[in-house]
Amino acid sequence: AQSVTQLGSHVSVSEGALVLLRCNYSSSVPPYLFWYVQYPNQGLQLLLKYTTGATLVKGINGFEAEFKKSETSFHLTKPSAHMSDAAEYFCALLYNFNKFYFGSGTKLNVKP
Amino acid sequence: TAGITQAPTSQILAAGRSMTLRCTQDMRHNAMYWYRQDLGLGLRLIHYSNTAGTTGKGEVPDGYSVSRANTDDFPLTLASAVPSQTSVYFCASSAGQNQPQHFGDGTRLSIL
Repeated sequence: AQSVTQLGSHVSVSEGALVLLRCNYSSSVPPYLFWYVQYPNQGLQLLLKYTTGATLVKGINGFEAEFKKSETSFHLTKPSAHMSDAAEYFCALLYNFNKFYFGSGTKLNVKP
Repeated sequence: TAGITQAPTSQILAAGRSMTLRCTQDMRHNAMYWYRQDLGLGLRLIHYSNTAGTTGKGEVPDGYSVSRANTDDFPLTLASAVPSQTSVYFCASSAGQNQPQHFGDGTRLSIL
């Protein structure tokens, strides 16, 4: 069975601090994994994706994520948080060619 | 700007009434999707369409219907709205297999 679990519905960091948003997955087939960001009153925007190849994936706005098969994880990181990073972040698992499971989301708060 | 257009942006609807949420994309994507987003539950797939003329049921299809008469349009109909259908609805599209999804800005629907 396929599933996505995001640990922590709310994460708060100070501006300039490391951002770490956790995502674990379960998949019976090699996974394709994605991170999306959602700003208030907007749809989801793609941050980055892992399909095959390099396990460290770089995305937009300085974010990156590392696929770790042994830990079934795909955590999202950014070395230094910016106020504009405050948003909700969703991890997603692609299955059955074009259908996605989404995690329940993590709201990131950035304190000045 | 190319993308997905959803209409209306918001709506208040009396229980028992019918409503169609509109979704149009101009990217010539084959696949289209409807999700509902509820607090703490992330996005859940309602219906999808892999190509014009075909549709399929997602995770939460009951009470909803869709049609895909052409590539660009994918309307979602609530035949007889109930309060539990109060949610934010997102339409998305993707170019095909293993491709990320592009999202509209959503329709906020309240059923009273």
